[in-house]
Formats: sequence, C-alpha cells, structure tokens
Amino acid sequence: EAGVTQFPSHSVIEKGQTVTLRCDPISGHDNLYWYRRVMGKEIKFLLHFVKESKQDESGMPNNRFLAERTGGTYSTLKVQPAELEDSGVYFCASSFYDEQFFGPGTRLTVL
Amino acid sequence: GDSVTQMEGPVTLSEEAFLTINCTYTATGYPSLFWYVQYPGEGLQLLLKATKADDKGSNKGFEATYRKETTSFHLEKGSVQVSDSAVYFCALNLGAGSYQLTFGKGTKLSVIP
Repeated sequence: EAGVTQFPSHSVIEKGQTVTLRCDPISGHDNLYWYRRVMGKEIKFLLHFVKESKQDESGMPNNRFLAERTGGTYSTLKVQPAELEDSGVYFCASSFYDEQFFGPGTRLTVL
Repeated sequence: GDSVTQMEGPVTLSEEAFLTINCTYTATGYPSLFWYVQYPGEGLQLLLKATKADDKGSNKGFEATYRKETTSFHLEKGSVQVSDSAVYFCALNLGAGSYQLTFGKGTKLSVIP
C-alpha cells in the first residue's frame, strides 16, 4: 500500500512568488493534515481536512496560505506571495482514525 | 497553551548503550502522548503511544510510560542499534474532538558502531 506522498520534495523560490505544494494521502483516509517545521522550531499544526471540508484551520498563519482538498482526495497548499519566514519543511499526514501517517515533507526555501 | 519539551540533541551513543530521551508536557485535561521517529529521507512514523496515566507504550524495544504526576513521557531503550539513528519527536493530542498534534522540537540520535 502506498504511503502519503508529497510533491515537490524541494522548492526554491524568491520572495513574492507563489508556490503550490501537493499532498496525496493514503487511499481511504478521510482525514488529511498539514504541518510545518520552521528551522530550529517545533513541527506546528496548520490545518485538518475531513474529506473536502476544513475541520480545523486554527494553525494557518495568515491569509497568504490557502489550502484546498479537491473531492476529498489530494490536497494543495498554496503560499501567495511567499515571504522569507515561510521557509521550512511542510509535512502532510493522513489518517483513517487517530493514527496519523506522515509524508516525507516538502522543503521550501524562500530567498 | 499546551506544549511539549524534549531534551536538546544531538545525542550520540555507542551501539548497545542505554537510551533515554526526556519529554515533559504542559496541557489542560488528559492528553494522549506519542513518540514519532523520522529516519533519514522518510516521513514521521508513529513509534508508540499512551492514552492515559500509567499506560506504557512499547514498540521495537522502545518504551515510554505516561506519568501524570510528573507530566512526563520519557523514551527508553535498553540497547540501541545503528539502525535506531533517527530524529525522535515527542507529541501530544488533547482529544475532545481535536486531532491536531503538538510536537516537541525533536532529538537527533546517532548510534555509532
């Protein structure tokens, strides 16, 4: 069974540009989560989807971040416009019930 | 708010040494507690968990006991192997309808032959 996949694995962009990260959860997992780890800091929760609905988006830092989950399958996280402080590793996770399975992350560098 | 504090790394041990990684938490209510492990180039994997006080989680020779009186969930292994080299994260979930995990900063463990 395929695990959680994320694309791209790395992205380097300039301040002010737009970046879109993609996450494909494990098939059959209704719950999908985004987390972020800024260098030297903890992994922080961003938001939680149940199917295509946002269940909890209390961790989204500001309105430059937009998350969507088309048809309750894959999810995208768009950052527009990107700022220097957005650099970090973005993790996606999915779950059927409570155990969350994580993807390898996307490393985002904003120059 | 809720938070998790774990010992700063990196930690370097010789093979077959005893491992302890300390983790303490601050939370309202009665959280569930987790240890996740991230091997190089991979995503985080759930290593073990405990959902109530005095529960002991165990997996792959690792153990951690949920200590409510000391708000701790220290990770231990009696004899580490080179293959245990990874980053270890302590985390909590408050439950009550919330699925979000609150993580510590992670502890990098290197085991040398």
